[in-house]
Amino acid sequence: LAKTTQPISMDSYEGQEVNITCSHNNIATNDYITWYQQFPSQGPRFIIQGYKTKVTNEVASLFIPADRKSSTLSLPRVSLSDTAVYYCLVGDSGSARQLTFGSGTQLTVLP
Amino acid sequence: NAGVTQTPKFQVLKTGQSMTLQCAQDMNHNSMYWYRQDPGMGLRLIYYSASEGTTDKGEVPNGYNVSRLNKREFSLRLESAAPSQTSVYFCASSTGTGKKLNGYTFGSGTRLTVV
Repeated sequence: LAKTTQPISMDSYEGQEVNITCSHNNIATNDYITWYQQFPSQGPRFIIQGYKTKVTNEVASLFIPADRKSSTLSLPRVSLSDTAVYYCLVGDSGSARQLTFGSGTQLTVLP
Repeated sequence: NAGVTQTPKFQVLKTGQSMTLQCAQDMNHNSMYWYRQDPGMGLRLIYYSASEGTTDKGEVPNGYNVSRLNKREFSLRLESAAPSQTSVYFCASSTGTGKKLNGYTFGSGTRLTVV
């Protein structure tokens, strides 16, 4: 399983764009990159997934360079409600292989 | 609402007692998972079931057993609870097929305290 490295915590202010970078140096050819968000006392929630280049949905964008050894989750114009822990996961589901959750990045949005 | 339902939401056990955590999903997902999350830490996989009729150990299986009762239900049993098993337990499901990793859907968790 590819190991991931993320910053432990980040602070931002409302209205700013936040970029959280994840390092995954030993990512495998079949691996996808997936990000989850977790609020206190809730289960993680799927945010976005990508394989290469850029993916965008209504919540976030995911930037993946050509070598795929890192990825950046971009949250546009954050609000207080975006305060949460964000997890970067790398893996594939060809055989329903389990994912490994690291400690994640605690994002705190300040007023 | 469609999703993953866990019961109970809260439970207090005495050391040595047993209990079963229930999980059901109504999304016709093939794969189901049990994770535990200790304070300030990420999730650790206890057991998973790739498909109905199969189960496999995850990262921290000791002290637990599971049953994939049918495609919808996946239960986690603590035979003799220990204080070290105090944690929040999350059940999750995914389609588990195909090349693309599909998102996991998580339940709301069971907060278990063993005294």
